[in-house]
Amino acid sequence: SQQGEEDPQALSIQEGENATMNCSYKTSINNLQWYRQNSGRGLVHLILIRSNEREKHSGRLRVTLDTSKKSSSLLITASRAADTASYFCATDANSGAGSYQLTFGKGTKLSVIP
Amino acid sequence: SAVISQKPSRDICQRGTSLTIQCQVDSQVTMMFWYRQQPGQSLTLIATANQGSEATYESGFVIDKFPISRPNLTFSTLTVSNMSPEDSSIYLCSVLDGLSEKLFFGSGTQLSVL
Repeated sequence: SQQGEEDPQALSIQEGENATMNCSYKTSINNLQWYRQNSGRGLVHLILIRSNEREKHSGRLRVTLDTSKKSSSLLITASRAADTASYFCATDANSGAGSYQLTFGKGTKLSVIP
Repeated sequence: SAVISQKPSRDICQRGTSLTIQCQVDSQVTMMFWYRQQPGQSLTLIATANQGSEATYESGFVIDKFPISRPNLTFSTLTVSNMSPEDSSIYLCSVLDGLSEKLFFGSGTQLSVL
């Protein structure tokens, strides 16, 4: 079943502006991850934040996690046209030794206009 | 990190036929996953393929329709059998890096069934 739900579904901004995408989930997690997908191809891992962390940075990316609200946000600062892609949050659902499942949200389609 | 070669990258198939998708990883990995992404949708896990054991299928997916092979720690195949237009999707293989808990993805197979 879907765990993460992103909003907005689509976001269009001008180059140089910041883009913020939100993700909500339903059950307890070990970690939350953000992935990027260009043009329906393979996903690329962006950042992982653990349940005991509140904020994490990687280059122009900033991720926050609020476990009390079961929500996370991804901020991309100083956006570039090359940031145009779909962004997915994913939550783990480790169910025991030898198994692993990452459940993806519906994604936010970001368009950065030059 | 892991580099995954997935092929074919796209195919157009006739109803009732079968297509086998291959994924080759540049390192030995324990856990491989097969996902389906229907047009404009998120990723749905089809099955987990561990070497030396039967694949574990998620609810809604069955072995007769999506047989999987995992002959060694660097290779897996997914077959989409007796295809119908509803099988038109992007199919993605991925592997888990156990240390970082990140998923690495192949570039995907875009399947269209006529």
